Amino acid sequence: GEDVEQSLFLSVREGDSSVINCTYTDSSSTYLYWYKQEPGAGLQLLTYIFSNMDMKQDQRLTVLLNKKDKHLSLRIADTQTGDSAIYFCAEGKRGGYNKLIFGAGTRLAVHP
Amino acid sequence: GAVVSQHPSRVICKSGTSVKIECRSLDFQATTMFWYRQFPKKSLMLMATSNEGSKATYEQGVEKDKFLINHASLTLSTLTVTSAHPEDSSFYICSAPVQGSTDTQYFGPGTRLTVL
Repeated sequence: GEDVEQSLFLSVREGDSSVINCTYTDSSSTYLYWYKQEPGAGLQLLTYIFSNMDMKQDQRLTVLLNKKDKHLSLRIADTQTGDSAIYFCAEGKRGGYNKLIFGAGTRLAVHP
Repeated sequence: GAVVSQHPSRVICKSGTSVKIECRSLDFQATTMFWYRQFPKKSLMLMATSNEGSKATYEQGVEKDKFLINHASLTLSTLTVTSAHPEDSSFYICSAPVQGSTDTQYFGPGTRLTVL
């Protein structure tokens, strides 16, 4: 079946690195995504990784994918208060249908 | 990136009335759009897939007569919540994939529906 799981809450100090973890079950997923949702707003695509990649870096963001363990992580370097939000991981398959399965989201709280 | 808009951003209505929510792709065409519902502190639940020129595809457990979807053009999909009840109060979000190498989905800002 399809299932994506995330821890619900993470608290970090400003300037530290944040690591948000996600596990998924569908090994046929083509892409894995990270979305950010700020209070009262829609989802903003942060980054994505193709399933045949192990790592992707984009400025302060590093995505690691362990396909064998079906484990995805998002690392935010030098976390800032503006990074406080809910982070959703999602898995999807390439194709016209492109249905996404989301995790429940991890609420990141950044404190001074 | 691509932009998806929703209107209205917030709506309050009385029980028994119907509410229409619009989802537009602003700078690209979308033959497919998705409608999600988000409960407080919960994940997004896919409700249905809106298909331009054909009937929407509903996920299991979603009442198609309750949540009417019309994909009128390549840039517009509407979700109508019919005979709304307080339990329909939620945050409704639409998305549209941009066809290409990643089929990335872009999300609208969401519509907060409150049914009194």
